Amino acid sequence: DVKVTQSSRYLVKRTGEKVFLECVQDMDHENMFWYRQDPGLGLRLIYFSYDVKMKEKGDIPEGYSVSREKKERFSLILESASTNQTSMYLCASSLGLAGGRTDTQYFGPGTRLTVL
Amino acid sequence: GESVGLHLPTLSVQEGDNSIINCAYSNSASDYFIWYKQESGKGPQFIIDIRSNMDKRQGQRVTVLLNKTVKHLSLQIAATQPGDSAVYFCAETYQGAQKLVFGQGTRLTINP
Repeated sequence: DVKVTQSSRYLVKRTGEKVFLECVQDMDHENMFWYRQDPGLGLRLIYFSYDVKMKEKGDIPEGYSVSREKKERFSLILESASTNQTSMYLCASSLGLAGGRTDTQYFGPGTRLTVL
Repeated sequence: GESVGLHLPTLSVQEGDNSIINCAYSNSASDYFIWYKQESGKGPQFIIDIRSNMDKRQGQRVTVLLNKTVKHLSLQIAATQPGDSAVYFCAETYQGAQKLVFGQGTRLTINP
């Protein structure tokens, strides 16, 4: 079974703090993703990565950055947390099929971040 | 742009009945569809997927139907159980996109 883990289930930070959210997958997947989930807005893609040291902006990258130094680990960074970044953050990974065929994304349990 | 939506935001069914959750999509180029289940406080869990070269796929107690003519997707759950209570999302994408577009979700509640 695919296992995607996230470093924290709940996190409380103060405005202006630098926040790191860590995600690890154990299935040697090529692709990794960070989403945020808010009531009424559904899942929105922040950043994704096709390979080590590669990253692509998603639909809402502002205020976030990412790091992928190792294949299994994908970090989401909030450089200066703000209250509007209070949300559920979900990490996902997918195998990465040859020929550009899209494949299934598997999600971690989520990190509920509160910024005070 | 493309969008994925659900006909009903909430669905309430009796335990033991069959549930049908619907999803409409607007991108005719979409060729891969996934259903996810999300229980309270957890991440979305893969249920079943279907590619556009099929119109039906069955899993354990679940069936996904795809009607490309009207761009409609449905998830059928047989003999609904209390453990099926969750929010169900459809997602769609197309070859090479590597990005999924998610619907807003339907909350399924089970009446005893």
